Amino acid sequence: EVQLVESGGDLVQPGGSLRLSCTGSGFTFSNSAMSWVRQAPGKGLEWVSAISGSGASTYYADSVKGRSTISRDNSKNTLHLQMNSLRAEDTAIYYCAKVHGRVALAGTLGWFDPWGQGTLVTVSS
Amino acid sequence: DIQMTQSPSSLSASVGDRITLTCRASQDISNYLAWFQQKPGKAPKSLIYAASNLQSGVPSKFSGSGSGTDFTLTIGGLQPEDFATYYCQQYSIYPPTFGGGTKVEIK
Repeated sequence: EVQLVESGGDLVQPGGSLRLSCTGSGFTFSNSAMSWVRQAPGKGLEWVSAISGSGASTYYADSVKGRSTISRDNSKNTLHLQMNSLRAEDTAIYYCAKVHGRVALAGTLGWFDPWGQGTLVTVSS
Repeated sequence: DIQMTQSPSSLSASVGDRITLTCRASQDISNYLAWFQQKPGKAPKSLIYAASNLQSGVPSKFSGSGSGTDFTLTIGGLQPEDFATYYCQQYSIYPPTFGGGTKVEIK
């Protein structure tokens, strides 16, 4: 069974940093592009970032570009999202998801399946 | 960015009803369109990809259609477990974007 499990969510002060992690199992992690998608409380879904299977290609939403870094450790089947200079508007549940991508763009642009259970990030003083 | 507009934003329906949800893209996205179902407190679940392809394990009462800018998700024979929020998502060009969702409630 393909499974994704996120961790690392926490309460952090504005301007602080946080590192989210997502561990995958049940599939060949190194062959799979991965993404982070977030959902603010009571709101819709917003794509955050994507990374190719090798880690060589990365993409970011404008809302987090310059403040966040996506990375992966294929030896540990783990995906990360380092978030810096956090703002109140970053408060959300962060989901990791496996990307079923188009051939172009290193397979990073596609639909998402499956999703992890999510980890909550709260930015507040 | 491509804007995805879903309508209606909410609808009330009865068990056994057949309903159709609509998703419109602000520009041509070919068939690069996916649909997701999300229940309260749960992660989204993939239903449809490439506009009309059923994700493995999803019951055939779900069907998708459309291409270009206009898409629909039809759910036949609503059951209690189908009451949820449904999102569409385009993956034609970066950034991938989602519609605002349609909440399907019990009448």
